[in-house]
Amino acid sequence: GQQLNQSPQSMFIQEGEDVSMNCTSSSIFNTWLWYKQDPGEGPVLLIALYKAGELTSNGRLTAQFGITRKDSFLNISASIPSDVGIYFCAGPVDGGGADGLTFGKGTHLIIQP
Amino acid sequence: DVKVTQSSRYLVKRTGEKVFLECVQDMDHENMFWYRQDPGLGLRLIYFSYDVKMKEKGDIPEGYSVSREKKERFSLILESASTNQTSMYLCAIGVAGQGGEKLFFGSGTQLSVL
Repeated sequence: GQQLNQSPQSMFIQEGEDVSMNCTSSSIFNTWLWYKQDPGEGPVLLIALYKAGELTSNGRLTAQFGITRKDSFLNISASIPSDVGIYFCAGPVDGGGADGLTFGKGTHLIIQP
Repeated sequence: DVKVTQSSRYLVKRTGEKVFLECVQDMDHENMFWYRQDPGLGLRLIYFSYDVKMKEKGDIPEGYSVSREKKERFSLILESASTNQTSMYLCAIGVAGQGGEKLFFGSGTQLSVL
């Protein structure tokens, strides 16, 4: 089945630093989604991308849909303590029907004071 | 706003017990999903449902069953809980839109099986 590979698995950064993470797949996706999960909570949708090459921002977050349609990137600028959590990329199962999403294994973001 | 409510945040059960995890939505969405989340493994789909009394197996259905008697409620059932079912369980609803379906999650139930 489809697999999404996220990297890095964990990030330890200082407050104020910029963050970059990415997600790759062996198959093409028509939609890329980025979620964030706070400790003890369910994932929350941050950004949705629909076209190859698309660049979309949500506050300090910027995500890009790779032109090959097999990857996506998420950047966070000037990190703050509340950015701590797990970031997941996701895409529709097998091309976009209503069978849910397939998720990457997540990038743990840890911010050191 | 989409609201997905999971009845318990934390549950502790014993091996062999029958366990019910409940999920309720406040809108008329058809698609509902159960995932489990484990460290290093991400989110894995257990079961989903398109409508009342309809269910489909996900990637890891073994040891689980589901019930959807009413549109707003989707229950995950562990017939005989085992320690390897200790996990975070997440319910989600699917909302169709541009580019396909997006999922909206409940807060999760952390289940410990002793």
